[in-house]
Amino acid sequence: KNQVEQSPQSLIILEGKNCTLQCNYTVSPFSNLRWYKQDTGRGPVSLTIMTFSENTKSNGRYTATLDADTKQSSLHITASQLSDSASYICVVSSRDWGAGTKLIIKP
Amino acid sequence: DGGITQSPKYLFRKEGQNVTLSCEQNLNHDAMYWYRQDPGQGLRLIYYSQIVNDFQKGDIAEGYSVSREKKESFPLTVTSAQKNPTAFYLCASSMGQGNQPQHFGDGTRLSIL
Repeated sequence: KNQVEQSPQSLIILEGKNCTLQCNYTVSPFSNLRWYKQDTGRGPVSLTIMTFSENTKSNGRYTATLDADTKQSSLHITASQLSDSASYICVVSSRDWGAGTKLIIKP
Repeated sequence: DGGITQSPKYLFRKEGQNVTLSCEQNLNHDAMYWYRQDPGQGLRLIYYSQIVNDFQKGDIAEGYSVSREKKESFPLTVTSAQKNPTAFYLCASSMGQGNQPQHFGDGTRLSIL
């Protein structure tokens, strides 16, 4: 069964600090991996997509990495802001969704 | 502004009742999707439609029905056969499939009275 595992389940950090969220998958075949940000009570919004040949992609303070050999991806958030408080979800091959990491930024 | 509108925001269902969740998009997208989101779980696909008058079952279609009579609209009916309907329902659309991002509405939270 295809699986997408995200860690940690939740994370609390202070405003201005950096953090890294993990996404491990066993999905096959692999076509792409996308990270979404979901604010509480809202729908997910796409942050970035990575295909097999890409290993790093940035979107402002968000940087995603992909290691297709080990089937791992990470999302690094630099200089966190209060508005970064949300759930971050990875989805693999546009069909297998992780449960998300709930990130809380404290002032 | 282009986007996806889901209504209502909150919905309550009585035992034995069917309820319909609305989803409208003005993005001119061909593909539309319905997902269910439960705490601690990833989104699960209920139904999807790639073109008007055509739709396919997703992973958890039992107890749900949809229609796609217009490109802009993809309503979801939660029937009385769905024994555990309490969840957050998300509608999405995309230009196509593959690497195209899905654009989501802000969801409908369905609860049982």
